[in-house]
Amino acid sequence: GESVGLHLPTLSVQEGDNSIINCAYSNSASDYFIWYKQESGKGPQFIIDIRSNMDKRQGQRVTVLLNKTVKHLSLQIAATQPGDSAVYFCAENYNTDKLIFGTGTRLQVFP
Amino acid sequence: DTGVSQDPRHKITKRGQNVTFRCDPISEHNRLYWYRQTLGQGPEFLTYFQNEAQLEKSRLLSDRFSAERPKGSFSTLEIQRTEQGDSAMYLCASVVWEGPGELFFGEGSRLTVL
Repeated sequence: GESVGLHLPTLSVQEGDNSIINCAYSNSASDYFIWYKQESGKGPQFIIDIRSNMDKRQGQRVTVLLNKTVKHLSLQIAATQPGDSAVYFCAENYNTDKLIFGTGTRLQVFP
Repeated sequence: DTGVSQDPRHKITKRGQNVTFRCDPISEHNRLYWYRQTLGQGPEFLTYFQNEAQLEKSRLLSDRFSAERPKGSFSTLEIQRTEQGDSAMYLCASVVWEGPGELFFGEGSRLTVL
């Protein structure tokens, strides 16, 4: 989804379920991708990253999938917990020395 | 605490005033980045330094904005003649640059211009 101002796309999941957050990136030449979590009033925190020579990478309870054909990135969170509630951002790097961030997705976890 | 430190965390100012934010990166990190984030949006790149050299500035960085990293350690971001549209969270990040990778962000400095 596309966010406008305060209207972030929101994903609501029940505690214990798996969450999937999607991101469309802009440049087919991007060679590095990263997911950050941002809690209210705090700076972004690293979750997981992946380089363009891979299509999947797993961390603790998180998996990132990269589909270069359709320029799509997803973040899967297993057994979602209340502490996972936050805004999640994907970012890409393409032939530059900086990260370009996408629009965030708000994850709400309810009991 | 060995993370990226930003000061002040919150700043309220009147339109037309000047403000300055400071960022202390993680020790030994040679690159330092400034981003701006408005409510509901992802961080937008402003500028970055490699040691004391400012290597790139975004078009978002108008002539009212200036950033320095005089000794290659801490950095300052100054906004002159603030406008209400400058209200945002200003984020600093640092990294030991070895190619594209994780940036370590501070908690940000929130600016409110009245």
